[in-house]
Amino acid sequence: QQQVKQSPQSLIVQKGGIPIINCAYENTAFDYFPWYQQFPGKGPALLIAIRPDVSEKKEGRFTISFNKSAKQFSLHIMDSQPGDSATYFCAASRRGGYNKLIFGAGTRLAVHP
Amino acid sequence: DTEVTQTPKHLVMGMTNKKSLKCEQHMGHRAMYWYKQKAKKPPELMFVYSYEKLSINESVPSRFSPECPNSSLLNLHLHALQPEDSALYLCASSQEGGTDQETQYFGPGTRLLVL
Repeated sequence: QQQVKQSPQSLIVQKGGIPIINCAYENTAFDYFPWYQQFPGKGPALLIAIRPDVSEKKEGRFTISFNKSAKQFSLHIMDSQPGDSATYFCAASRRGGYNKLIFGAGTRLAVHP
Repeated sequence: DTEVTQTPKHLVMGMTNKKSLKCEQHMGHRAMYWYKQKAKKPPELMFVYSYEKLSINESVPSRFSPECPNSSLLNLHLHALQPEDSALYLCASSQEGGTDQETQYFGPGTRLLVL
C-alpha cells in the first residue's frame, strides 16, 4: 500500500516531442503528489506538484494530469528540450506523515537534438 | 536563498573509520531530512528532524547516527560502515516542521565510498 509505481524506466524522445511519464498508487490516504527532477551529480529539485482536488496543473512546459478514481497521475513535458534530459521521480505523501515522500522508481529521460 | 549545502562532496572511508557528513541551510527551515540514494534508484528516507527533534528513524542501522545541533545544521555520523553503505547521501530541508506536505529542498549530496 505504500508503493508508488512509475513507468517507463527510461524514455528517449526527439527535441520537441512530448514525453509522458506515468505513476500509480494504492494508498488512498495519499493526497499530495510532487514530481522531482534530478540531474547527474545534483540533488532532486521540485518540478511541479498536485493535490487530488484538481485534475490538471500546468507550470510552463510541464503538466500533471491526475485521475483520482484510477489512482494514477502523469507528467507531460511539452516541446521537450535537450536540457530536460534528467531523471524524473514521482512521489506521494499523506497529511500528518512528517512530509514523508514515497518515491517512484524514477524515469531516465533523454531528449535528443 | 534556497540552498542546502553539504560537505564533503566526496568521501572515501574504510570500514573501521569514523567520519561525519554535514548539512547546512540558512532558509529558516524547521524540518531537515537525511536520504540515501543508490545508483539508478530513488532516494530512501533515513531520518527526519522536526524543530531539532528526531521525528522519524526509518529503522536505520545504528552505525548511522544523526545529530541536529541547531535549526540550521544537520550531521550524520558514520562508524563501522559496510561496503553496501556506499551511496549518495542527500540532505533536504522544508519550511515548516514537516507535519504537512511541503516542498523539500535537497542539497547536492555527499558521494560516499566504503572500502
